[in-house]
Amino acid sequence: EIVLTQSPGTLSLSPGERATLSCRASQSVSSSYLAWYQQKPGQAPRLLIYGASNRATGIPDRFSGSGSGTDFTLTISRLEPEDFAVYYCQQYGSSPFFGPGTKVDIK
Amino acid sequence: QVQLVQSGAEVKKPGASVKVSCKASGYTFTSYGISWVRQAPGQGLEWMGWISAYNGNTNYAQKLQGRVTMTTDTSTSTAYMELRSLRSDDTAVYYCARANWVAATNFDYWGQGTLITVSS
Repeated sequence: EIVLTQSPGTLSLSPGERATLSCRASQSVSSSYLAWYQQKPGQAPRLLIYGASNRATGIPDRFSGSGSGTDFTLTISRLEPEDFAVYYCQQYGSSPFFGPGTKVDIK
Repeated sequence: QVQLVQSGAEVKKPGASVKVSCKASGYTFTSYGISWVRQAPGQGLEWMGWISAYNGNTNYAQKLQGRVTMTTDTSTSTAYMELRSLRSDDTAVYYCARANWVAATNFDYWGQGTLITVSS
């Protein structure tokens, strides 16, 4: 099984700042099989990025994904107030697994 | 618009079973699959398994093999997840999510979640 590690655990930033979230896999993941989700308290997760770099329908272009192999990154270019949330990466090879999440909170 | 509407919260005793439903609308149900994901209080996301609404194929997380069964009713566009021999650590919010019909992939639409509480 492929284990995902996310860092940092918590990222404290101000609105307007750039957020860089990391997701590292225990073994190589096909770029086609890496996704990112956003989850706010009391809500279901929302798909942001699939295939490592493709924005899902309706996702603003301030969200971007990159990476390959074992290292992937989600970047939020300028944080909006509604972007403060928990972000999960997910690999979906034979059996999907989620990373433990990164919380982006207001500094 | 695509919607997944789940059944309501339940409280169960240890050792009991629970069956959660997920009614899909706004798309062709048999062209996709449904995955189930759970989230214990204050914890992260745990994938439980997947079922193809096209052909009924399933793929369950190894941890839950033997305790979970996923089914679909294509006549009502509804997916079901049954979990047996419930334990206190099964207390969680359970989500259904739309996936690819061939395999569990990324999940582009999610249900609102169903809280299952296991307590004596």
